[in-house]
Amino acid sequence: EVQLQQSGPELVKPGASVKISCKASGYTFTDYNMHWVKQSHGKSLEWIGYIYPYNGGTGYNQKFKSKATLTVDNSSSTAYMELRSLTSEDSAVYYCARELRPGWFAYWGQGTLVTVSA
Amino acid sequence: QIVLSQSPAILSASPGEKVTMTCRASSSVSYMHWYQQKPGSSPKPWIYATSNLASGVPARFSGSGSGTSYSLTISRVEAEDAATYYCQQWSSNPLTFGAGTKLELK
Repeated sequence: EVQLQQSGPELVKPGASVKISCKASGYTFTDYNMHWVKQSHGKSLEWIGYIYPYNGGTGYNQKFKSKATLTVDNSSSTAYMELRSLTSEDSAVYYCARELRPGWFAYWGQGTLVTVSA
Repeated sequence: QIVLSQSPAILSASPGEKVTMTCRASSSVSYMHWYQQKPGSSPKPWIYATSNLASGVPARFSGSGSGTSYSLTISRVEAEDAATYYCQQWSSNPLTFGAGTKLELK
């Protein structure tokens, strides 16, 4: 069974950075792109980007290119997203999501709530 | 970027009713995916490549469309269908989602 287990909620100060994780199990981690999606409270979904664990190749939504950095640790089947220079606009739930076919997210993590507050 | 416009924003239906929600793209896309999300939960895969039901999705759901116009139809709405439904495309970068249609049961 494919599972994506994300790290817990984060409370961070404005201007700081945060790194959240997504541990995958139940499949060969390097075989599929891992995507990250933002959902601000009560709002729709925004695609941040993806990483291909096999070679670390990435693709970003231009809107998030200076905000997010995607990495992986293949030894632990874990994907990471670091968000920097945080503002209140970055307060949201962040999901990792795995493709089953290009752009089709068949598996989702449970979400990580990031709250930016002084 | 391709903007996806979903309508209506809120859809109110009675159990047993047939309902259709629409997703219109600002430019032509090759296919559309759909997700269901209930409050406090992650989105669930619902329909992929325009018309294919994800595993476990009831047969009362169907998807259709082409070009710039796509739709999701429920033949007979049930209480468990109350949720927000999002359309999504990746025919061109960046991948985008619609704003969602919230289905409410009367």
